[in-house]
Amino acid sequence: QKEVEQDPGPLSVPEGAIVSLNCTYSNSAFQYFMWYRQYSRKGPELLMYTYSSGNKEDGRFTAQVDKSSKYISLFIRDSQPSDSATYLCAMSTGGGNKLTFGTGTQLKVEL
Amino acid sequence: GAVVSQHPSRVICKSGTSVKIECRSLDFQATTMFWYRQFPKQSLMLMATSNEGSKATYEQGVEKDKFLINHASLTLSTLTVTSAHPEDSSFYICSARAGGPTDTQYFGPGTRLTVL
Repeated sequence: QKEVEQDPGPLSVPEGAIVSLNCTYSNSAFQYFMWYRQYSRKGPELLMYTYSSGNKEDGRFTAQVDKSSKYISLFIRDSQPSDSATYLCAMSTGGGNKLTFGTGTQLKVEL
Repeated sequence: GAVVSQHPSRVICKSGTSVKIECRSLDFQATTMFWYRQFPKQSLMLMATSNEGSKATYEQGVEKDKFLINHASLTLSTLTVTSAHPEDSSFYICSARAGGPTDTQYFGPGTRLTVL
């Protein structure tokens, strides 16, 4: 079993839809949770960073962490074609420590 | 802020040659940099952790004599793929630890290596 599980997709949604992306993990020592967006042939771009459980909102993006269920989510409101990319969840046991990544979910937002 | 650059963005070389990839943190000092490789449609695999002024720490299964890492300053780390072979063809991505409130990793744009 992988430490971090993420559905690879592809996930296809119409423009304007709410997108829900999720990861589950097995290591209860993870304290820091991140979502990265990666366009094809580019490096990952940090979208959201959260510590421990709770919600965090930034524009159209909301990150949720439920440590009791070992489950994290990223919601994208009013999705746009420019949101089409691969979304990677990542987590670590300490700030700045080694990151463990999910496999990434490929998202396509269609006109 | 927190911009990381990589050079070159793409390189094609012949089998048996060595290739050097540079990773620079442009607007912050990075005591720690990380090197990853990524195969098509797969996630990032950590190769090594590089601390300024000390030897890199390699992940299990990564040959340290094959992938030479130097972190000579707080803004520059280099990865040299020695005697490259076609199986080394991959997307190599570096990241730098920013410190500060989030203290997370910011990634470079990646280098696509093709070994003929």
